Amino acid sequence: AQSVTQLDSQVPVFEEAPVELRCNYSSSVSVYLFWYVQYPNQGLQLLLKYLSGSTLVKGINGFEAEFNKSQTSFHLRKPSVHISDTAEYFCAVFNQAGTALIFGKGTTLSVSS
Amino acid sequence: DGGITQSPKYLFRKEGQNVTLSCEQNLNHDAMYWYRQDPGQGLRLIYYSQIVNDFQKGDIAEGYSVSREKKESFPLTVTSAQKNPTAFYLCASRAGGSGTYEQYFGPGTRLTVT
Repeated sequence: AQSVTQLDSQVPVFEEAPVELRCNYSSSVSVYLFWYVQYPNQGLQLLLKYLSGSTLVKGINGFEAEFNKSQTSFHLRKPSVHISDTAEYFCAVFNQAGTALIFGKGTTLSVSS
Repeated sequence: DGGITQSPKYLFRKEGQNVTLSCEQNLNHDAMYWYRQDPGQGLRLIYYSQIVNDFQKGDIAEGYSVSREKKESFPLTVTSAQKNPTAFYLCASRAGGSGTYEQYFGPGTRLTVT
């Protein structure tokens, strides 16, 4: 069965520092990958997605992610974080059955001044 | 504005009672989903429906039931058979056509059972 592993459950960082949130997925023939963000007591909002084409994907709020097929990774990066980026981030892969997203357990990003 | 609504935002029930969570979408999406979120567990799929009058069990369907009588509605019933019903429940939808993968999420319902 497909799976997604988010390697860090919590990432503390200071404001204006760079950040990387790591995500690995189990391999599959075709891979469609997503990063979502969740603010407290809210639903999930799509940050970015990789379906095909360029391996570097740019999303909203200055985030980007790089699809690396050989390392089965899809790490999320931001060069300079803000306090408002404090949230939980989820990596997800579309399942092989073509029916639903499979989510990782999430990474809590805490940005402090 | 198009989107997904879930009501209520907070729900409290006594143990042993069934409770139904509402999910409505006006995106004209074919597919709808219910996920359960617990701290540190990520999102786990309960049920999904790809078309009206049809639905499939997800990874943790025991103790839950759904119906899909209308395209825009996908209510979830948490039955008394669900051993640990307290959680945050998220509804999502997807266009459902070929080449569509992105899921859109509602704001969630936090259920507390005591």
